[in-house]
Amino acid sequence: AQSVTQPDIHITVSEGASLELRCNYSYGATPYLFWYVQSPGQGLQLLLKYFSGDTLVQGIKGFEAEFKRSQSSFNLRKPSVHWSDAAEYFCAAGGGTSYGKLTFGQGTILTVHP
Amino acid sequence: NAGVTQTPKFQVLKTGQSMTLQCAQDMNHNSMYWYRQDPGMGLRLIYYSASEGTTDKGEVPNGYNVSRLNKREFSLRLESAAPSQTSVYFCASSYPTDTYEQYFGPGTRLTVT
Repeated sequence: AQSVTQPDIHITVSEGASLELRCNYSYGATPYLFWYVQSPGQGLQLLLKYFSGDTLVQGIKGFEAEFKRSQSSFNLRKPSVHWSDAAEYFCAAGGGTSYGKLTFGQGTILTVHP
Repeated sequence: NAGVTQTPKFQVLKTGQSMTLQCAQDMNHNSMYWYRQDPGMGLRLIYYSASEGTTDKGEVPNGYNVSRLNKREFSLRLESAAPSQTSVYFCASSYPTDTYEQYFGPGTRLTVT
């Protein structure tokens, strides 16, 4: 069965520190991969996506993610976190015969200390 | 261009009551989706509509029905609400289906007492 796992439920970092959020997927074929961000009380906003090609993808707000086929991972990174990055982050995967459907991870809540 | 809109934003129901959550998109997207979000469980797909005139069950369809009224609108109905349906409901849309990139509405927070 297709699945997406985010091993870290909650991460706390200091403002200005680097950030890496982990995402692992289990899929029959190479999936399309996404990272979404959700601020409190809001909907989900797309940060970045990977379909094919360059395995390092750039997104909005200074985020990037690296697709590693050998590790079935798509980790999200940011070199210097800002207080406004505090939110919940979701990794998602789609593709193959899922007919446009996405499978979401459980989410990682990011807290940023001043 | 409003994107994906949902009504209402908040709703409180008593057990057994019915209600319909409305969703509309103005991006000319073919596919629309309904998710529920519960703490620690991410988003789970309830129903989806790959194109106008078609609907299919997702991961957690029990207790829900949907209607794809036209290309723009996709409603979710709870016929007899239960406390287990207390959740935040999100509608999303995408075009075409093989891009998989979905655009989300702001959500409806539903409480069933």
